[in-house]
Amino acid sequence: NFMLTQPHSVSESPGKTVTISCTGISGSIARNYVHWYRQRPGSAPTTVIYDDNKRPSGVPDRFSGSIDRSSNSASLTISGLKTEDESDYYCQSYYNNIWVFGGGTKLTVL
Amino acid sequence: QLQLQESGPGLVKPSEPLSLTCTVSGSSISTSDYFWGWIRQPPGMGLEWIGSIYYSGTTYYNPSLKSPVTISVDTSKNQFSLRLNSVIAADTAMYYCARHDRFSYGNFDPWGQGTLVTVSS
Repeated sequence: NFMLTQPHSVSESPGKTVTISCTGISGSIARNYVHWYRQRPGSAPTTVIYDDNKRPSGVPDRFSGSIDRSSNSASLTISGLKTEDESDYYCQSYYNNIWVFGGGTKLTVL
Repeated sequence: QLQLQESGPGLVKPSEPLSLTCTVSGSSISTSDYFWGWIRQPPGMGLEWIGSIYYSGTTYYNPSLKSPVTISVDTSKNQFSLRLNSVIAADTAMYYCARHDRFSYGNFDPWGQGTLVTVSS
């Protein structure tokens, strides 16, 4: 079965840039769109990147997404980190009638 | 503005059935453009897609789920529902409903606020 794997946690300092990876297992990550969600404690997830690299209105351009076919991975990059970016981040995609989430990455900004 | 709202019992005994309903407001559930899905999140853990339904009744389920589930739709009430026939402790989770695009296999958006289900005797 197709799976998405993410690092359990990443940390970086305010003002820096961080990249969260999402690697496809048992399938090509480029076959369908990858989406990224942010989840703050006690709240439902919200989209920060959809269709690989598109930002919903209201999401700052500090957030960007990309696909690397050579490593079969998607990435979420957040530049100019702010303390308010500290959250859990999940990637998600689709494969053969199954919608798949990555395990999630806890971003700490310190 | 499209909104989704989950409802159901907060506490269920092991081996008993669980039924949750998602009420859609601000848009018709009978649209050809979208699926309507259920996602759950055990305490302190990640997101797990449970299944999705199209307004016609076509369903898709996560084959990794240990317990069988059924998703149904009631277009007259603009609602869709999730049923687990016999719950176990591992079904304790926050349950979310969400809409997602049918044609581009798009992102889940928007999400309901979620409803916490605890399985305990």
